[in-house]
Amino acid sequence: GENVEQHPSTLSVQEGDSAVIKCTYSDSASNYFPWYKQELGKRPQLIIDIRSNVGEKKDQRIAVTLNKTAKHFSLHITETQPEDSAVYFCAARTMSQGNLIFGKGTKLSVKP
Amino acid sequence: NAGVTQTPKFRILKIGQSMTLQCTQDMNHNYMYWYRQDPGMGLKLIYYSVGAGITDKGEVPNGYNVSRSTTEDFPLRLELAAPSQTSVYFCASLQDRTFTEAFFGQGTRLTVV
Repeated sequence: GENVEQHPSTLSVQEGDSAVIKCTYSDSASNYFPWYKQELGKRPQLIIDIRSNVGEKKDQRIAVTLNKTAKHFSLHITETQPEDSAVYFCAARTMSQGNLIFGKGTKLSVKP
Repeated sequence: NAGVTQTPKFRILKIGQSMTLQCTQDMNHNYMYWYRQDPGMGLKLIYYSVGAGITDKGEVPNGYNVSRSTTEDFPLRLELAAPSQTSVYFCASLQDRTFTEAFFGQGTRLTVV
């Protein structure tokens, strides 16, 4: 089955700096890669996603890149703000089962 | 539109007790999922369902059971609760297995003592 590895587990940046979180997946049949943000005590919320036929997608300060050959994808947050502090999860979904398999998460802290 | 609703929000169980975590969605989604999230960890898939009457095991199904008698409801049953089942449980649904967003319930925080 699918396995998703996520790094780093914790990330601390100064406000205004950029943050990058990386994930790798094992199943080459996976074709949909969402990123979720989870604030303390809250449910995961989708912030951006990318399909396997796209190499990059951007939404304001957030971007995701996908390298299908290497089976890895990354989340980029520019001009970080304190409200970006949260746990971020990457996930991969295969078409065959439609199940979302999550990475272990990255706790991002943005210091003012 | 309520989305995905889970009850209860919090529960304390004694070892050996049983309980059912309720999940209902009003979006007519066929696919529904149960995840558990241990402290500082990611979400692990317990069970999933691709439609009424169809369920299947995920990554960590031991100690749990599910049923899917209607499209809307997907309850998770814990039999003989153990401390290892202390976790936050999330139910999620999505429209189909292609490129659609998964919607999560607000979670159930379960403590087994």
